[in-house]
Amino acid sequence: EAGVVQSPRYKIIEKKQPVAFWCNPISGHNTLYWYLQNLGQGPELLIRYENEEAVDDSQLPKDRFSAERLKGVDSTLKIQPAELGDSAVYLCASSKTGSGSDTQYFGPGTRLTVL
Amino acid sequence: GDSVTQMEGPVTLSEEAFLTINCTYTATGYPSLFWYVQYPGEGLQLLLKATKADDKGSNKGFEATYRKETTSFHLEKGSVQVSDSAVYFCALSVGGTSYGKLTFGQGTILTVHP
Repeated sequence: EAGVVQSPRYKIIEKKQPVAFWCNPISGHNTLYWYLQNLGQGPELLIRYENEEAVDDSQLPKDRFSAERLKGVDSTLKIQPAELGDSAVYLCASSKTGSGSDTQYFGPGTRLTVL
Repeated sequence: GDSVTQMEGPVTLSEEAFLTINCTYTATGYPSLFWYVQYPGEGLQLLLKATKADDKGSNKGFEATYRKETTSFHLEKGSVQVSDSAVYFCALSVGGTSYGKLTFGQGTILTVHP
């Protein structure tokens, strides 16, 4: 079974430029999460989707961040415009809610560097 | 709010040494507790979990017991290997409106030397 796929793995951009990250969850997983991991810290939840509905986006900075999950499968996280402080690793995870297990499976992440 | 505190690292051990990584938590409600591991260049992987008091999670020789009275979930391994070198994260998840949200500690870097 394929794991959570993320692309790109690395991205370097200049500040004020837009950037987008893509995530493909494990097949059959209805719940998708985006986390932000700053250097030397644990991940922090940005947004959680149940199918195509964003059910928890309270930690998403909505002035510059946006996300979508069309058709309840793949998801895209966008930053526009990027700031120096956005340099971090962006992690995607998925789980099969309602299966009796709430285990989240993580992708390898996208490491963003803003210059 | 909910929070997880891990012992400060990094931790450096020789092969076959005993490992303990301390983890304590604060949570509203009754959390599930997890240990995740992140190997170099890879995503986080679930190492073990426990969902109620006195439960012991175990995997790959690692163990952790859910201690409600001390709000702790310390990770232990009797004999570490070089391949255990990684970053270890303690995390919790509560139900209600925060269902599905993992709250992580800051991570502990473990380096095992031959």
